[in-house]
Amino acid sequence: EVQLVESGGGLVKPGGSLRLSCAASGFTFSSYTMNWVRQAPGKGLEWVSSISRSSSDIYSADSVKGRFTISRDNAKNSLFLLMDSLRVEDTAVYYCARETAAGGLQNFDYWGQGTLVTVSS
Amino acid sequence: DIQMTQSPSTLSASVGDRVTITCRASQSISVWLAWYQQKPGKAPKLLIYRASSLESGVPSRFSGSGSGTEFTLTISSLQPDDFATYYCQQYNSYSRTFGQGTKVEIK
Repeated sequence: EVQLVESGGGLVKPGGSLRLSCAASGFTFSSYTMNWVRQAPGKGLEWVSSISRSSSDIYSADSVKGRFTISRDNAKNSLFLLMDSLRVEDTAVYYCARETAAGGLQNFDYWGQGTLVTVSS
Repeated sequence: DIQMTQSPSTLSASVGDRVTITCRASQSISVWLAWYQQKPGKAPKLLIYRASSLESGVPSRFSGSGSGTEFTLTISSLQPDDFATYYCQQYNSYSRTFGQGTKVEIK
């Protein structure tokens, strides 16, 4: 069974940093592009960042470019999101999501349960 | 970035109704569109990919159509479990934008 379990969320002050993790199981993690998607309270979904299987291709939304860094450790079946210079508007539930392994750009077929990040003074 | 616009934002319907949600892209995305269902406090669930392909395990009352810039998600006969928020997502570009969502409420 495919499982994605996020952790690392919490309360942080504006300007602070946080590192999210996503533990993957039930599939060959190194064969899939992975993504982070966030959802502010009461709002819609916003794609944040993606990383290819070998980490050779990384893309991020303009809203987080230069502040957030996606990475992965295929040996440990783990995905990460290092968030620096956090802003109040970064407050959201952060989901990790697996991209369908069909080559090229694809939809997201499995999602974790999410971890809440709250940025507040 | 490609903008995705869904309509309506909210839809009130009864069990058994046929429901249609529209998603428009700001430029052509061919058939690279997915639909997701999200219930409160839960992660999104994939329903439709490549505009019209039904994800395994998803009831056949869900269907998708369209190409280019205009797409629709149809629920042929609304069931109690279908009251949720629905999102479209384009994956024609690296910036995988979502629509703003359509909340399907009980009438």
